[in-house]
Amino acid sequence: DPKIIQKPKYLVAVTGSEKILICEQYLGHNAMYWYRQSAKKPLEFMFSYSYQKLMDNQTASSRFQPQSSKKNHLDLQITALKPDDSATYFCASSQDRVSNERLFFGHGTKLSVL
Amino acid sequence: GDSVTQTEGLVTLTEGLPVMLNCTYQTAYSTFLFWYVQHLNEAPKLLLKSSTDNKRTEHQGFHATLHKSSSSFHLQKSSAQLSDSALYYCALANTGANTGKLTFGHGTILRVHP
Repeated sequence: DPKIIQKPKYLVAVTGSEKILICEQYLGHNAMYWYRQSAKKPLEFMFSYSYQKLMDNQTASSRFQPQSSKKNHLDLQITALKPDDSATYFCASSQDRVSNERLFFGHGTKLSVL
Repeated sequence: GDSVTQTEGLVTLTEGLPVMLNCTYQTAYSTFLFWYVQHLNEAPKLLLKSSTDNKRTEHQGFHATLHKSSSSFHLQKSSAQLSDSALYYCALANTGANTGKLTFGHGTILRVHP
């Protein structure tokens, strides 16, 4: 059974619209993250949360807003979508927010912006 | 900032031959180095990690040794199997930042054929 659930698996959106990517983890972890995998780019860190608090934001645009309603939830709201936002977005978690922690990844949400 | 450089693109091997995927890194801080593997339509998952200089780390037939003198963490396996076909990411975590952020390389696709 997947321990990190991301919904939806595939998402198609039109330019200018807004979408929310859902992530829930059932590993009992205290830290959660968002990473993005764009074409021809490496996995790219976006955000880290620890105990529902934002710890690090490496995303230049305010169009990307993480939302944590519960300790095991970290959703990602993306507004004013652009074709360049097309990517696979991975949610991840770790026991705690330390540098040697193993990250557990979800299966990703593949977003296509037309 | 931190950066990771991997063997470019695609590595194609015949089953039974040795595997070597290169990884070098740049950082101003102490680091942990990781190898993550992503099979087709799967989430990335941890393969190896290390922070100890000149110590060999092994898992599932793969091994890597962190060499701080050359800033390298190459992934090796003595005999490739068909099931090793996957995307391999080298990544580093900066122990100074403590945000849980990983910096990934571009990834190397390993394709093993009979």
